[in-house]
Amino acid sequence: DAMVIQNPRYQVTQFGKPVTLSCSQTLNHNVMYWYQQKSSQAPKLLFHYYDKDFNNEADTPDNFQSRRPNTSFCFLDIRSPGLGDAAMYLCATSRVGDRAREAFFGQGTRLTVV
Amino acid sequence: DAKTTQPNSMESNEEEPVHLPCNHSTISGTDYIHWYRQLPSQGPEYVIHGLTSNVNNRMASLAIAEDRKSSTLILHRATLRDAAVYYCILRTFTGNQFYFGTGTSLTVIP
Repeated sequence: DAMVIQNPRYQVTQFGKPVTLSCSQTLNHNVMYWYQQKSSQAPKLLFHYYDKDFNNEADTPDNFQSRRPNTSFCFLDIRSPGLGDAAMYLCATSRVGDRAREAFFGQGTRLTVV
Repeated sequence: DAKTTQPNSMESNEEEPVHLPCNHSTISGTDYIHWYRQLPSQGPEYVIHGLTSNVNNRMASLAIAEDRKSSTLILHRATLRDAAVYYCILRTFTGNQFYFGTGTSLTVIP
């Protein structure tokens, strides 16, 4: 059973039109991450939540925002998508307090900007 | 950010063992060494992790150098389904950040 679910798997949006990607988890993990992965590159961390505490990476553009209304759900908002924002967006979770703290990833949402 | 270095690509023949190296010379005493792999068009998946001792699980083995400045992921018999990008990542005991390095793209030759 899928434990980190991302919807939709594929999203097409227009240049400059706000878009929201969603992630849900059934693991009750307190940390949730959003990554951007462009073609043939490694995933790049955008930000993460520890419970409701939001932690932005220093080089994440202001165009990217996130919301976490509860433990299970996390959203990635792109306020004005540009052509350069076309990528795979990955959501992941992990549990603080677990010494190993392996991360669990969703299957990703592939965003196309037209 | 990324504190690991890996070869960009490696090849292996099917059903032969594969040794994927990773250097992490700046590792601290409480950092865990994690390995993940990413199959084409999928999210990364956990493979194995360790702290000091060598580790085995159903997917792979992890050999950690005595000084912990390097590690090797061992796939005992490579299959075509093992073709993926393999990432070596350091997880700090207290920090929540989770940074990927460039990874190694493994090609398995039939």
